[in-house]
Amino acid sequence: LAKTTQPISMDSYEGQEVNITCSHNNIATNDYITWYQQFPSQGPRFIIQGYKTKVTNEVASLFIPADRKSSTLSLPRVSLSDTAVYYCLVEVVGADGLTFGKGTHLIIQP
Amino acid sequence: DSGVTQTPKHLITATGQRVTLRCSPRSGDLSVYWYQQSLDQGLQFLIQYYNGEERAKGNILERFSAQQFPDLHSELNLSSLELGDSALYFCASSGVAGRYNEQFFGPGTRLTVL
Repeated sequence: LAKTTQPISMDSYEGQEVNITCSHNNIATNDYITWYQQFPSQGPRFIIQGYKTKVTNEVASLFIPADRKSSTLSLPRVSLSDTAVYYCLVEVVGADGLTFGKGTHLIIQP
Repeated sequence: DSGVTQTPKHLITATGQRVTLRCSPRSGDLSVYWYQQSLDQGLQFLIQYYNGEERAKGNILERFSAQQFPDLHSELNLSSLELGDSALYFCASSGVAGRYNEQFFGPGTRLTVL
């Protein structure tokens, strides 16, 4: 049973805000929600992590409702360079090995 | 630049051969992880080492093995190579367990088995 479900692909335009939603109905009490970004032929890069409510850093915001069964990664004012695969992970903090799903292919057009 | 280095960048070899991939973690990081990324299987965790000791195993085949040396660099050994072993192999490192599931990934080694 997949731990997370997210769109296979999305597209948007430069300057827009992009929201990618991830479903994780079976999230456990000790699980944190983490998002990674991966460009072609590069290793994934950590974007943001949260447990509940809202987390914001210089790159993105993460919105988590009270029931924690879903989360939304928000990328403000995207540019062409934000074209990448975005992975939603649900793991305990300090997880030994991360479990990556298929991710969401985000394509930003001019 | 994540601070994690991997060599070689590309490797082409034949079926049945053995290869060694090398990884140097970020300075100070004690944990090293190996991942395999192929088109059909996606990004899969293989194995983790912490300060020289094996800590966790994922979907690692018996033909594959790894080790972490006293200077904390790690090597992934792949033997009896098959066509299906062609993939990108990533190494990642992390520091002492903290608040975040942040692993720093290297640039990867692209292995092609012919």
